[in-house]
Amino acid sequence: SQTIHQWPATLVQPVGSPLSLECTVEGTSNPNLYWYRQAAGRGLQLLFYSVGIGQISSEVPQNLSASRPQDRQFILSSKKLLLSDSGFYLCAWSVSGRPYEQYFGPGTRLTVT
Amino acid sequence: EDQVTQSPEALRLQEGESSSLNCSYTVSGLRGLFWYRQDPGKGPEFLFTLYSAGEEKEKERLKATLTKKESFLHITAPKPEDSATYLCAVQAPGGSYIPTFGRGTSLIVHP
Repeated sequence: SQTIHQWPATLVQPVGSPLSLECTVEGTSNPNLYWYRQAAGRGLQLLFYSVGIGQISSEVPQNLSASRPQDRQFILSSKKLLLSDSGFYLCAWSVSGRPYEQYFGPGTRLTVT
Repeated sequence: EDQVTQSPEALRLQEGESSSLNCSYTVSGLRGLFWYRQDPGKGPEFLFTLYSAGEEKEKERLKATLTKKESFLHITAPKPEDSATYLCAVQAPGGSYIPTFGRGTSLIVHP
């Protein structure tokens, strides 16, 4: 069966510090991978998605970047965090080549102070 | 313009009081409509995929239906453990693998 991991679960970082959130998927090959941010009372905002290693598409211009160094690894980064980067970050995967349902990780709660 | 609208935003039910959540969409040529359940502080959990009007899916006390303009998530005799936010998403035509999510309905079931 497939599983998706995210870490850390919670993170408190000062403004201006760097960020690295990691997501890994097990039990599938060449998945589509996604990073979302969910703010309180708002819907899911797609940040990045990837259909293969080294292939990253950005949906929203912002202070964040993403990388996919391995087939089942997706990393969300920032060089300098802003207060507005606080939120609940979710990684998700879907089957390659098909617009089917997504499966989400447990999420990372990021608080920028 | 929102392609996916969920209503109501919040719903409070008594245990055993059946009701329905609505997800209306404006995309044409729908490729798929998805329902998720999200508990506080956790990632959304996939529930159902519906592909064509008239299709129905069931899981325990939940039943999802689809028409050409909307989907309903019917909750029969809900229990407190059904309390969660329910999210709807649609997959539009084209080569993109990006679904569009609604803002969700927050359901609270009182014992």
